[in-house]
Amino acid sequence: EAGVAQSPRYKIIEKRQSVAFWCNPISGHATLYWYQQILGQGPKLLIQFQNNGVVDDSQLPKDRFSAERLKGVDSTLKIQPAKLEDSAVYLCASSPLTSGETQYFGPGTRLLVL
Amino acid sequence: AQSVSQHNHHVILSEAASLELGCNYSYGGTVNLFWYVQYPGQHLQLLLKYFSGDPLVKGIKGFEAEFIKSKFSFNLRKPSVQWSDTAEYFCAVKASGTYKYIFGTGTRLKVLA
Repeated sequence: EAGVAQSPRYKIIEKRQSVAFWCNPISGHATLYWYQQILGQGPKLLIQFQNNGVVDDSQLPKDRFSAERLKGVDSTLKIQPAKLEDSAVYLCASSPLTSGETQYFGPGTRLLVL
Repeated sequence: AQSVSQHNHHVILSEAASLELGCNYSYGGTVNLFWYVQYPGQHLQLLLKYFSGDPLVKGIKGFEAEFIKSKFSFNLRKPSVQWSDTAEYFCAVKASGTYKYIFGTGTRLKVLA
């Protein structure tokens, strides 16, 4: 079974630029999560989708971050414009509805904003 | 608001030593509890989880955790660590009936051979 795929793995941008991350969850997984993990901290949930609907985005900075999950499969997370404090690893995870909510994580995208 | 505390940020042990990593949460209702592990260069993966029933939960690689409701704790234990247990360990909590996971800040474990 293929795991959660994310791209790119690394990205360096200057502040005020925009950036997009892509995630392809495990096939058949209905739930998809985006997390932000700042160095020295645990993952912080940004947004959670169930199929193509948003179930929680309370911690998503909506003035600059956006995410979509068209057709309930893969997802993109965008930052526009980026700030220095957005430097972090962005993790995508997925889970099937019947797994007892175990999350399967991708390798993450490491973002550095200069 | 929910929160999760992992008091040990860095732990160094020799092989065969016993391990206990603390995890405390703040939430008065029913919770689901998880320990995730990230080995060097690998993805975060589930170590064990508690939803209900026996408060002593056994996971992969000889790890176990005990849910003590009165102490709002879910500490991770292993009787004898190996060099291969070197990793970062994260406790996570989800309030039942909600969607939001809260992760702790993680504990970096280094096991000396």
